[in-house]
Amino acid sequence: QSVLTQPPSVSAAPGQKVIISCSGSSSNIEYNIVSWYQKLPGTAPKLLIYDNNKRPSGIPDRFSGSKSGTAATLGITGLQTGDEAEYYCGTWDTSLSAVVFGGGTKLTVL
Amino acid sequence: EVQLLESGGGLVQPGGSQRLSCAASGFTFSDYAMNWVRQAPGMGLEWVSGIGGSGGSTYYADSVKGRFTISRDNSRNTLYLQMNSLRAEDTAVYYCAKGWRRSTWYDPHDVFDIWGQGTTVTVSS
Repeated sequence: QSVLTQPPSVSAAPGQKVIISCSGSSSNIEYNIVSWYQKLPGTAPKLLIYDNNKRPSGIPDRFSGSKSGTAATLGITGLQTGDEAEYYCGTWDTSLSAVVFGGGTKLTVL
Repeated sequence: EVQLLESGGGLVQPGGSQRLSCAASGFTFSDYAMNWVRQAPGMGLEWVSGIGGSGGSTYYADSVKGRFTISRDNSRNTLYLQMNSLRAEDTAVYYCAKGWRRSTWYDPHDVFDIWGQGTTVTVSS
C-alpha cells in the first residue's frame, strides 16, 4: 500500500489529453514539493516534472504538473504512442522522514 | 556525459548479505546527494535510502532501516548500499539516482534527475 495514491491505469486516444492524479496528505504533498517520473519497461525512470510544475530541459511542454492541497496532477496533451509508460509521483513525507512514491499509473494510448 | 553504473547484484540466500556499488562519472560527485530506489517484480518504485553529498546525512525507508547501510566514497566517485539480513521481499531491481540540487547535505525537497540502468538482486534459496 503506497503512501501516495494513484489510479492504476488510464487510457486515451492519440492526440487526446489525459490527467493522472496523485493523492496524499498533510504530511507529504500538502507541505512538500511533488515530482513526476516516467518509466518505460526495462528502462530507468526519467524525471518529467519537479517543484510541482517545472519541466527539466528536454521535456516537451505537452507535460505539465500542478498541485493543490493534498493532491497533485500530471497532465499530458497531444498523446503519442511513445507516451505509453508507467508514471509515478513522488515527494518527501515529513512524518516518515522518507521519500515516498505513488503506486504508479500505467498509461495506454489506444 | 553524466552516467551512473550500478553493479553487485545477483542471487543471494535469505539472511545473507550483498553490497551494491554505483560508479558515477561526468559530474562533481561530492556536490550532490545520491539515492537508492528499487522496483520489485510487478510492483512500483520504492525509495530505499538517500545520502548527502558529504556523506554526513543519511535517510532510510522503514522497510530497510537497521538492515541496509548507505555510504559513499567521494574520492572514488562511488555510492554503496550494504544490504544485510536479506529477505525475499528485497528482491528487486536496484537503481542509484542522483539528486538534482547541489548540496552537501540531504535536501528532502530534492528530486532525482539522473538514474542508472539498475542491478538485479534476487533473494532466494
